Formats: sequence, C-alpha cells, structure tokens
Amino acid sequence: AQSVSQHNHHVILSEAASLELGCNYSYGGTVNLFWYVQYPGQHLQLLLKYFSGDPLVKGIKGFEAEFIKSKFSFNLRKPSVQWSDTAEYFCAVNWRNNNDMRFGAGTRLTVKP
Amino acid sequence: GAGVSQSPSNKVTEKGKDVELRCDPISGHTALYWYRQSLGQGLEFLIYFQGNSAPDKSGLPSDRFSAERTGGSVSTLTIQRTQQEDSAVYLCASSSRLAGIEQFFGPGTRLTVL
Repeated sequence: AQSVSQHNHHVILSEAASLELGCNYSYGGTVNLFWYVQYPGQHLQLLLKYFSGDPLVKGIKGFEAEFIKSKFSFNLRKPSVQWSDTAEYFCAVNWRNNNDMRFGAGTRLTVKP
Repeated sequence: GAGVSQSPSNKVTEKGKDVELRCDPISGHTALYWYRQSLGQGLEFLIYFQGNSAPDKSGLPSDRFSAERTGGSVSTLTIQRTQQEDSAVYLCASSSRLAGIEQFFGPGTRLTVL
C-alpha cells in the first residue's frame, strides 16, 4: 500500500526561527502533492500544492515546499515562523495512476512567543 | 457559498449503540472522502466515493463501519456496535473531479463513545 511519512510528530520553535517539516512518500509513479494546515479549532485548509512545473512551490502565509523527485520528498519550509503558525500540518499525496490519495500522520507545530 | 457540512457536530453515545454521521459535500463535487482523526494518530483514510464508481473501502477499520452515498451527493457513515476506540473526529471532504484535485474539508463530527 502506498504511504506518506511525516517524520516529526511535534515541533516546538521560538518566533523567528526557521521551519522545515519533512514529508516522504512511497514510489507509485507520478504524484500530486499537498500540504494542509489545521489551526486550533478550525477546518483543514490547503496551504500549497504541486502538480507540475517548478518544484519549488510558494503557498500562503510565507510557506513554501520543494518537490525532490529523487528523494520522494516534499518538505515544507518557512524562513521565520510566527506565533500564529501554531497548528497541525499534514502532507498529502495523490498517485495519479490510480487516484489514490493519502495523508501523513501530521506534525504539530508549537511556536513560542 | 456553501462549503462541506457535517452533522451532528458532536455525538455522544454508549458503547454498543449504532451511530450515523452525515456529510453534505459541495454541490457538484463528484468525489467524497471520509477520514478519522484521532488524538496522536493523524488523519486516517476510511473510504472514497467517486461518481458512480464502486467506492474504495480499503481504509475501513472493521466490518462495523460502512458508508453510502445516495444520488451522488449526501453521504452517511454508519458505525455499528460502537466501541470506545471509535471515539474520534470524523472528517468528510469533497473535491471537484479526480482525487488529485484539492479536497475541501467539513468541520467534522466529534464522536465520543462512553
């Protein structure tokens, strides 16, 4: 079965620190890649997505992610986090050959003011 | 613009009872997904409906879980003989065509089994 791995379960940072959250997925052909965010008490919402083209994708709120095909990775980054970035972050992968879509287990980010 | 809605928002039930959770997807969205979100367990895929195709039930954890989608729109997730380990937030999402398109999530139903 295809899978998505997020290596960090809980990350704690101080404001202005840089962030990188890892996401790896199993091989299965061409993929579409997503990062979702869930702020406390809110719905899951899309942060950014990659379908094709430039492997460095810019999303909302200063987030970006880089698709590295050779590493089957799609890590999320932000140069300087804010307290308001405290949330849970989910990586999701769609394998196009069979339309399978899977989410990672999520990474809880806590940003200390 | 209506988003994905789910009802009830909270459900408390006794162990052994059956429950039904409802999802109204965004109008026109042909794909519908159910997920379970448990504390510390992340987002667990349950079932996926795409148009009139047979649903992908590969994520259902046991035969106590079932789901149907009537008329290609509203979906109901049924849990029979609930157990305490079924306590979780059940999320529904819909997307416009194929699974590769962005999913829009509902607010979830928080199920507590006593």
